[in-house]
Amino acid sequence: QSVLTQPPSVSGAPGQRVTISCTGSSSNIGAGYDVHWYQQLPGTAPKLLIFGNSNRPSGVPDRFSGSKSGTSASLAITGLQADDEADYYCQSYDSSLSGYVFGTGTKVTVL
Amino acid sequence: EVQLVESGGGLGQPGGSLRLSCAASGFTFRRYWMHWVRQAPGKGLVWVSRINSDGTSTNYADSVKGRFTISRDNAKNTLYLQMNSLRAEDTAVFYCVRDSTTGYFDSWGQGTLVTVSS
Repeated sequence: QSVLTQPPSVSGAPGQRVTISCTGSSSNIGAGYDVHWYQQLPGTAPKLLIFGNSNRPSGVPDRFSGSKSGTSASLAITGLQADDEADYYCQSYDSSLSGYVFGTGTKVTVL
Repeated sequence: EVQLVESGGGLGQPGGSLRLSCAASGFTFRRYWMHWVRQAPGKGLVWVSRINSDGTSTNYADSVKGRFTISRDNAKNTLYLQMNSLRAEDTAVFYCVRDSTTGYFDSWGQGTLVTVSS
């Protein structure tokens, strides 16, 4: 069961900007735990996209950005490209569960 | 280059057991915490278990507590997941994942599929 809620899907035309929200609670994001984001291309393993709320690993384009505020976080993709079509997941830690939690996942479609 | 290669997946009987392995290379395995994360067909990611660098501390998701056991052999650079009392709802791709040391998952294996069915 996911304790971080994401919209099931978002879509945009090439070149547009889309955002994905990740809503948590006072035992995870709101408790100060960092939020991280992963991209899962069809048929492949997830890949780290954003760590520590807003940091990009080497090799991730600056079209991807993350932010966090209160009990929520967001991932923004600017200049949307066809190969951005994928599932995106947020992740954090939950003190009530004493474990790591993922978001419900969001499918990004490029129109 | 970090490499994580899972093996041991396949068909398991309800109530039966399977043991997954993950061979690690390209980094100093004994210095990192490791995790198992699973993904049921067509569903999202679910964290399963975590082990610290020397194997003395483990954590589990409630859904597998008491049934699954995570372990590691640092001499063999290998992570394990012993899965007992298998249920149909354990059917999933299981990923071996490296912890960055600050709570995010920086390297993933390709996954191994576990199917629980009679």
